[in-house]
Amino acid sequence: ETGVTQTPRHLVMGMTNKKSLKCEQHLGHNAMYWYKQSAKKPLELMFVYSLEERVENNSVPSRFSPECPNSSHLFLHLHTLQPEDSALYLCASSQDTAVSTDTQYFGPGTRLTVL
Amino acid sequence: GESVGLHLPTLSVQEGDNSIINCAYSNSASDYFIWYKQESGKGPQFIIDIRSNMDKRQGQRVTVLLNKTVKHLSLQIAATQPGDSAVYFCAVQYQGGKLIFGQGTELSVKP
Repeated sequence: ETGVTQTPRHLVMGMTNKKSLKCEQHLGHNAMYWYKQSAKKPLELMFVYSLEERVENNSVPSRFSPECPNSSHLFLHLHTLQPEDSALYLCASSQDTAVSTDTQYFGPGTRLTVL
Repeated sequence: GESVGLHLPTLSVQEGDNSIINCAYSNSASDYFIWYKQESGKGPQFIIDIRSNMDKRQGQRVTVLLNKTVKHLSLQIAATQPGDSAVYFCAVQYQGGKLIFGQGTELSVKP
């Protein structure tokens, strides 16, 4: 158990739906991350938050909208997604982002299918 | 830009044998390297890390070797067990939390 939880674990949605993914970390960390893992591709960093401020937005389409209300919670709001957005969405946390050696700990992911 | 690549997408070993998974990186300024294990239905799990001022680090049944001259990283698993079956990723981490992953090697352990 890594101390990072994600809900839901599985989500099927149509292209016109609006849904949200939730991540919670119980490690007392200050930084949280969203990654996308598609089949046959390396994990792709989407967003980085440090102390509830977004510090990295890796050219992600606006149909993905992150929200970090506090350092323990991270959301990814989804709207008008495309079938190619189907993937495993992983959340991670680390102590901070300032030190390059702060290990990132991952949640189990949300398996998203867009019909 | 930075890239991280793995040499083999799959590796099959006999239970009890040693496993070696290789990885190459492109940025000679890279400072921090991590190996993750991802089992089916789970997120990546930290295994072991190494900084660029070291060339070897050992954990429990795992060893990471770093060759900065040729920008090569390897993970050695001793006495591989069925529970070691998973996808293994090497990753390079930079300041700001930017983590660049390789494609992954799927390790299968035959009983």
